[in-house]
Amino acid sequence: KAGVTQTPRYLIKTRGQQVTLSCSPISGHRSVSWYQQTPGQGLQFLFEYFSETQRNKGNFPGRFSGRQFSNSRSEMNVSTLELGDSALYLCASSLSQGTEQYFGPGTRLTVT
Amino acid sequence: EDQVTQSPEALRLQEGESSSLNCSYTVSGLRGLFWYRQDPGKGPEFLFTLYSAGEEKEKERLKATLTKKESFLHITAPKPEDSATYLCAVQAVGGADGLTFGKGTHLIIQP
Repeated sequence: KAGVTQTPRYLIKTRGQQVTLSCSPISGHRSVSWYQQTPGQGLQFLFEYFSETQRNKGNFPGRFSGRQFSNSRSEMNVSTLELGDSALYLCASSLSQGTEQYFGPGTRLTVT
Repeated sequence: EDQVTQSPEALRLQEGESSSLNCSYTVSGLRGLFWYRQDPGKGPEFLFTLYSAGEEKEKERLKATLTKKESFLHITAPKPEDSATYLCAVQAVGGADGLTFGKGTHLIIQP
């Protein structure tokens, strides 16, 4: 069974721009969560989608948003990029809420 | 607020030298505790889920245990390929469904 895929794998953007990252979950998984990983803060929860609805949101500004499509694929968007948004963005999928999450390889975003 | 603290931050062992990694947690109600392994440049790889105190799970050279306040990941006779960062995370009952992660233990196994 194919794992979680994320595109693109690497991205370089300039301050003030916006970016969209994509995630395809494991087949049959309906829950998708997004995390930001930085050396200083570690892994931090951004938001979680289940059946196209955002179920929970972490403590991040409104510049971070996401959505989920009917096929469970998900996108996250960051607007007005700041230098501090440079991080590894990880997507994880699970069969349902509360079950173990399986992570993709991540998208490495660099903001210059 | 849910909190997870992992110790030590880094650990260097000789091949075959067994040890344990610690994960202390504070959560209003534990839905599950998860262990992951992360290699450089990759996403975390799922290892174990523990749900209640006293539960134990094993996989090859790894064994995870759970009490009401902490979890241990025991590594028996490790090999160099066990070198990685090991992450612990908790999920709370009735709260946000996202995982709260610790900062991880960076494990190096020297041949």
